[in-house]
Amino acid sequence: KAGVTQTPRYLIKTRGQQVTLSCSPISGHRSVSWYQQTPGQGLQFLFEYFSETQRNKGNFPGRFSGRQFSNSRSEMNVSTLELGDSALYLCASRRGGLTGPYEQYFGPGTRLTVT
Amino acid sequence: DAKTTQPTSMDCAEGRAANLPCNHSTISGNEYVYWYRQIHSQGPQYIIHGLKNNETNEMASLIITEDRKSSTLILPHATLRDTAVYYCIVSTGTASKLTFGTGTRLQVTL
Repeated sequence: KAGVTQTPRYLIKTRGQQVTLSCSPISGHRSVSWYQQTPGQGLQFLFEYFSETQRNKGNFPGRFSGRQFSNSRSEMNVSTLELGDSALYLCASRRGGLTGPYEQYFGPGTRLTVT
Repeated sequence: DAKTTQPTSMDCAEGRAANLPCNHSTISGNEYVYWYRQIHSQGPQYIIHGLKNNETNEMASLIITEDRKSSTLILPHATLRDTAVYYCIVSTGTASKLTFGTGTRLQVTL
């Protein structure tokens, strides 16, 4: 079974621009979560989507948004990029639902550099 | 989610068992203990989880104390490829949000 895939793997953007990152979950997984990892703050939860609806959200400004499509693929968007947005963005998928527990499977991440 | 406390770093000789402790004294009755690891610059990898019974899979064993206030992840025969940061996370079974702490940096040496 194919794992979680993320595209692109590396990205360089300029301050003020916007960026869209893509995530394809494991087949059959309906929940997709996004995390940001920086040296200073570590791994932080951004948001989760399940059945095309945002189900949970972390403490990030509104510049960070996401969406999920009917095939469970997800995108996250960061607008008006700041230098501090430079990070490894990780996507994780799991089966989701109201029963558990469920382990999350992470993709390799997208390394975003803002200059 | 309950807070966890882990040692910052540990060393282990290759071929020996690596025992990684985790304290979670405020764990609630419906919270599970999850372990993930992250090898440098890769996405975290799920290892194992448990509620109150000890668990074992092909990667590791998880020992949870009877009062559930602490646990130990055991890698029975550590190899150089097990060098990574190991995260102990406490969360409910249905929660999507994983709260990662600073983890334990395990260095496996020859």
